[in-house]
Amino acid sequence: GAGVSQSPSNKVTEKGKDVELRCDPISGHTALYWYRQRLGQGLEFLIYFQGNSAPDKSGLPSDRFSAERTGESVSTLTIQRTQQEDSAVYLCASSQSPGQGYGYTFGSGTRLTVV
Amino acid sequence: DQQVKQNSPSLSVQEGRISILNCDYTNSMFDYFLWYKKYPAEGPTFLISISSIKDKNEDGRFTVFLNKSAKHLSLHIVPSQPGDSAVYFCAGHIQGAQKLVFGQGTRLTINP
Repeated sequence: GAGVSQSPSNKVTEKGKDVELRCDPISGHTALYWYRQRLGQGLEFLIYFQGNSAPDKSGLPSDRFSAERTGESVSTLTIQRTQQEDSAVYLCASSQSPGQGYGYTFGSGTRLTVV
Repeated sequence: DQQVKQNSPSLSVQEGRISILNCDYTNSMFDYFLWYKKYPAEGPTFLISISSIKDKNEDGRFTVFLNKSAKHLSLHIVPSQPGDSAVYFCAGHIQGAQKLVFGQGTRLTINP
C-alpha cells in the first residue's frame, strides 16, 4: 500500500483481556518497528524486526507483550492480560532498510484504552 | 532516565516570525538526531536530521543546530507558517542499534 496501515485505529478493552494490534508496512520495507506513546510522553521503542526476525525486542515492557511478523510483511503486537498502564497509542513504522531513522514511515497508530 | 528532553511542552509564535524548538540529551551514544512533526490522529513524519559530527543542517525553512558540548540541539523554522502548527519531537538514534529515543514533544502553535 501507499503507507503504513494499522488496525484497529481505536480499541477499548477491559482489564485482563488480550488484544492484538496489526500493522501492514509499506510493501518491500524489510525493517519494521513498534513504538508506543503514553499520555504526555514521547515515543517509546518496543521492538524492531528485520525481515521476520526480531534482533531487538529490548523495549517490550513485560512478558505480557509479544510480537511477530510473517512473510516479511504484516506484524501483530499482542498484549495479554491487559493492564490500565498499557493504555497508549501504539505506533508502527517501516523502512526500506535499517537506517538512522530518517527513512521511517509511521502509521497513524492504534489508540488502546484499558478500562 | 530521560535521555532526550524537550522541556517546553508548548510554544506559541506569530506567523512570519521565527520558531525555535529546543532539545537536550544525555546519551553520548547518539550518532544522529532527528526532528519529527506530528499532526493529530496521524503518525509522526520525518522533518530533518543532523549527524553528530555536524553542527548545522539546513533544509528550506528548517535549520537544526547541534551544540555537542552543551548536549543541546534546536530546530529553527523561519518564517513560521500556520501549517507548521503541530507537535514536534526530537529524537536521538543510538549508534549501532535500530532504535530512536524520543523526547516528550513540543506543541507549536502558529498564530495568524
